[in-house]
Formats: sequence, structure tokens, C-alpha cells
Amino acid sequence: QVSLKESGPGILQPFQTLSLTCSFSGFSLGTSNMGVGWIRQTSGKGLEYLATIWWDDDKYFNPSLNSRLTVSKDTSNNQAFLKITSVDTADTGTYYCTQTVYGGYRPFDYWGQGVMVTVSS
Amino acid sequence: DIQLTQSPSSMSASLGDRVSLTCQSSQGIGNYLSWYQHKPGKPPKPMIYYATNLADGVPSRFSGSRSGSDYSLTISSLESEDTAIYYCLQYDEYPLTFGSGTKLEIK
Repeated sequence: QVSLKESGPGILQPFQTLSLTCSFSGFSLGTSNMGVGWIRQTSGKGLEYLATIWWDDDKYFNPSLNSRLTVSKDTSNNQAFLKITSVDTADTGTYYCTQTVYGGYRPFDYWGQGVMVTVSS
Repeated sequence: DIQLTQSPSSMSASLGDRVSLTCQSSQGIGNYLSWYQHKPGKPPKPMIYYATNLADGVPSRFSGSRSGSDYSLTISSLESEDTAIYYCLQYDEYPLTFGSGTKLEIK
């Protein structure tokens, strides 16, 4: 059974760095073709794809936030991480991590419940 | 980036109605399109993958179709639990992109 759960700071101030953790079970980032994707829904907007980290440590970032994003993983502990530097109020929203399979027909079958992030001074 | 245009942006329909939501791609993506149902306070739920395939556990009143670069999500007989925002997603090429969503309400 695949399960994911996001965790993060809840509230942070402009210009700080947002650090999110995705803890998952039911699959491993040590297994070929497995990946964790990050997607967010910001205030008043729809869904936005952010990044993916793959089993082989390959990564893809949305170019619209490329320079601000970092993704990493801890395979042994079944965790993935997302960092966004220099946040502002536009980064306020709900952040989701998802399981994804390279080359699969089902892009995001399993999602965490999401973690709310508020950027406010 | 590939743009997905969803229409309508919002709509309301009656219980039992047949409802179709549309997603148009700015360039060819083959069948690499999926649909998600999003309700407040919950994560998006996969409904359709690879344009026409029903995701696990999704009621058979939902279906997906494709005509060229136009994709549709159809609900054959609307039920109250179908109230949600529906998003399409293209996964043919990076960056993956979502449509802006269709908000579906019950009259």
C-alpha cells in the first residue's frame, strides 16, 4: 500500500527558505523507475507542477521556478525533500508530494494529503 | 511549455445530467493526458489516465475521450458527490502542465 505524507514549517517569512519533507511507504526510491513529484496549489490558482526526483538521482524542475528549487532524497529512510529559496506571498498554498513512475502511463497515482504553507511578514 | 485550455471554467448541472468537460492542448501530446478531481481539503484524485483509461476505483459513469488535440471528461449521469474542480494534466513533455480547471457544481 503506497502512502505519502508531507511535513513543513507551516508559516515562514518572505525571503526565507521553505523546506518540505515527503515521508513515504509502499515503494522505494532505490527501485528503478520510481520517482517523487512535487505539485502545489497556490492561493487563488490551480495546480502547478514543481519538480521530480528519480531513483537514479536525476531531477527535473519547472523552469518557472528553476533557480529557486532544490530536490533531494534519503533512500534509506524513504524520504524526499523540496526546498524553495527566497519565498514570497505568491508561494503561499498547499504542497503535495506524489509517487510517479518513469515512463508509466499513470503520472501521479498516489498523493500525500498536502501541507499548507503560509508566507507572511 | 504546452498550454492546456479547459472549458468551461465553471458550470452547474442537475443531478442525472450528462456532463462533458473539455481540455484543449496547444500542441500534440498523443494520449498523454490525465484528469484529476479535486475537492477542498483533499488531494487531487486521479480519474482518467492516458486519455481514455479509468483509474482504479473510479465509477463507470466517468469516461475520457480524445479527438485530435481536444480531450473530454464525461460524466454520464451526474451525482451530488461529483461536485469538485476537475483538472487535466499533460505528461507528454516537461514541464508537466495542468489546465486551469473546471469548477463543477450541482444546480
